[in-house]
Amino acid sequence: DAKTTQPTSMDCAEGRAANLPCNHSTISGNEYVYWYRQIHSQGPQYIIHGLKNNETNEMASLIITEDRKSSTLILPHATLRDTAVYYCIVRDPFYGGSQGNLIFGKGTKLSVKP
Amino acid sequence: NAGVTQTPKFRILKIGQSMTLQCTQDMNHNYMYWYRQDPGMGLKLIYYSVGAGITDKGEVPNGYNVSRSTTEDFPLRLELAAPSQTSVYFCASSYSVQETQYFGPGTRLLVL
Repeated sequence: DAKTTQPTSMDCAEGRAANLPCNHSTISGNEYVYWYRQIHSQGPQYIIHGLKNNETNEMASLIITEDRKSSTLILPHATLRDTAVYYCIVRDPFYGGSQGNLIFGKGTKLSVKP
Repeated sequence: NAGVTQTPKFRILKIGQSMTLQCTQDMNHNYMYWYRQDPGMGLKLIYYSVGAGITDKGEVPNGYNVSRSTTEDFPLRLELAAPSQTSVYFCASSYSVQETQYFGPGTRLLVL
């Protein structure tokens, strides 16, 4: 089972920041937080990942709380093309075997509206 | 390069038929994965491979078989199709277990 809890759905106005929360209260010290998204019927797409420091790339920012029990993915200027299901995944990428694999929950369906 | 490609895009099978879902990657990735996604659900790992000749079971392997004879190809075999195998199948690859997984466009399978 997924180790994360996300809201089922969220709306965001086009051009505004989209803030997607994720709870991972049982995260262990070696586990990273990964974010993927899945645009309708396509394969999932990697967005960003982090361990404990905040991270930013060309797609998004990831804010991880100091206790690492929750995080927020920020899309700074959401567009209609950002409408997708967003998955927050916790994993230890250095763990051998299937335990190190990605476990997808149901994610958050983000709808960006004009 | 094309990344991860999957064929066919869509297939209808009758119960008991068999088929092979093809997956090819041109990124020289060592790791390859097969997932299935049922409607409204997240992806579940079926099988994965850490390199040519090495495969291992994921979360939901029953009813499927895989092989990895080359770095590029990772076919998924359904021997006796059942309605419960109606799903969308995604193949993915990564350079190592730590690296980002890149996903193919998926194969939509309907078993009637």
